[in-house]
Amino acid sequence: GESVGLHLPTLSVQEGDNSIINCAYSNSASDYFIWYKQESGKGPQFIIDIRSNMDKRQGQRVTVLLNKTVKHLSLQIAATQPGDSAVYFCAENRPGGYNKLIFGAGTRLAVHP
Amino acid sequence: ETGVTQTPRHLVMGMTNKKSLKCEQHLGHNAMYWYKQSAKKPLELMFVYSLEERVENNSVPSRFSPECPNSSHLFLHLHTLQPEDSALYLCASSQGTSGTPSVFGPGTRLTVL
Repeated sequence: GESVGLHLPTLSVQEGDNSIINCAYSNSASDYFIWYKQESGKGPQFIIDIRSNMDKRQGQRVTVLLNKTVKHLSLQIAATQPGDSAVYFCAENRPGGYNKLIFGAGTRLAVHP
Repeated sequence: ETGVTQTPRHLVMGMTNKKSLKCEQHLGHNAMYWYKQSAKKPLELMFVYSLEERVENNSVPSRFSPECPNSSHLFLHLHTLQPEDSALYLCASSQGTSGTPSVFGPGTRLTVL
């Protein structure tokens, strides 16, 4: 079946290092991808998105890379800070209708001082 | 805060109880969503309301009954739930017809005994 999955359920990094969180998606028709951050006790928070006609998009300390050939998405966080500790979800958006945003299982990022 | 509030934040109920979850958005959005987040599955869409009309019912059992009296308020009425319904229930909102939630509330942690 169609699914969005994450390679690493937990990622531990040192404060100041760069973090890379990976995601695989399976629907080649997906046209839009989103990364969310969910801190403990809170709902998911939009971080950055990218459309399928792009392969890279940069935000503040975050970069999303899209490789449509291998259906792979990654989130890079530069100079990771303790406040970045959270669960990160990727989501793929299938064209058409409202029931079209498919979430991945999530990766927990733990930042150590 | 995110602009989307949910009450209560925590709820414990028996299988024969009737309870309601409330969501309110202060962002002027015209679409509202209910999602279920359980420990064993990725985030799952339950219902979508656009301009107060239900546009998506993602095969949710009838023991969950949504209500959207206006564009700012969304309810989820619960009746004769099962222990496997224990989860975090997230409300979200967005503007337009993209079907992609842009702002999530903090969620209601539901435990069914």
